Amino acid sequence: GQNIDQPTEMTATEGAIVQINCTYQTSGFNGLFWYQQHAGEAPTFLSYNVLDGLEEKGRFSSFLSRSKGYSYLLLKELQMKDSASYLCAVLDSNYQLIWGAGTKLIIKP
Amino acid sequence: ETGVTQTPRHLVMGMTNKKSLKCEQHLGHNAMYWYKQSAKKPLELMFVYSLEERVENNSVPSRFSPECPNSSHLFLHLHTLQPEDSALYLCASSQVPSGGADEQYFGPGTRLTVT
Repeated sequence: GQNIDQPTEMTATEGAIVQINCTYQTSGFNGLFWYQQHAGEAPTFLSYNVLDGLEEKGRFSSFLSRSKGYSYLLLKELQMKDSASYLCAVLDSNYQLIWGAGTKLIIKP
Repeated sequence: ETGVTQTPRHLVMGMTNKKSLKCEQHLGHNAMYWYKQSAKKPLELMFVYSLEERVENNSVPSRFSPECPNSSHLFLHLHTLQPEDSALYLCASSQVPSGGADEQYFGPGTRLTVT
């Protein structure tokens, strides 16, 4: 079967750095997405990786290793507004998005 | 209005009721999606419409019935639901093919409670 694994919950301190990991086993691979979802709101697109390596966007970076079936989302200089759930999703060989259950990130002052 | 809108935002219905959820996208996209989001579970894709044709059903119970009258509007008709159907129902849209990330844009969701 197809599977996306990510930690259920993480806690970090304001101003620090946190890395949220995602491992996947899917039938084929056409890219990996990270979305942010604040409580009670819609998921919003953060990043897309289809080639190995690191993609940087301001305070957020996303890394992909296709051979290891592994990705991480790196958040720097954490702010209170970064408290949210972070969803990992993989586009499989049929171009269907397979979603992880999400990682709830709690930022403490 | 911009982006993807959904109405109502909250809905409480009995198991014998019939109701409909509405989604509208103002992005000029050609694909629309219904998802079910339950607590601590992955997003479950229910239906996909591409170019106004349904392309994915994913074995959703027949008590959920989608309708896509045009590329901007999507409905989810509900009847004789069960308490386990209580969840957040999200609508999304995207442009396919885009030649790029094909990211989906989500609406704020309808929080459904079945009593």
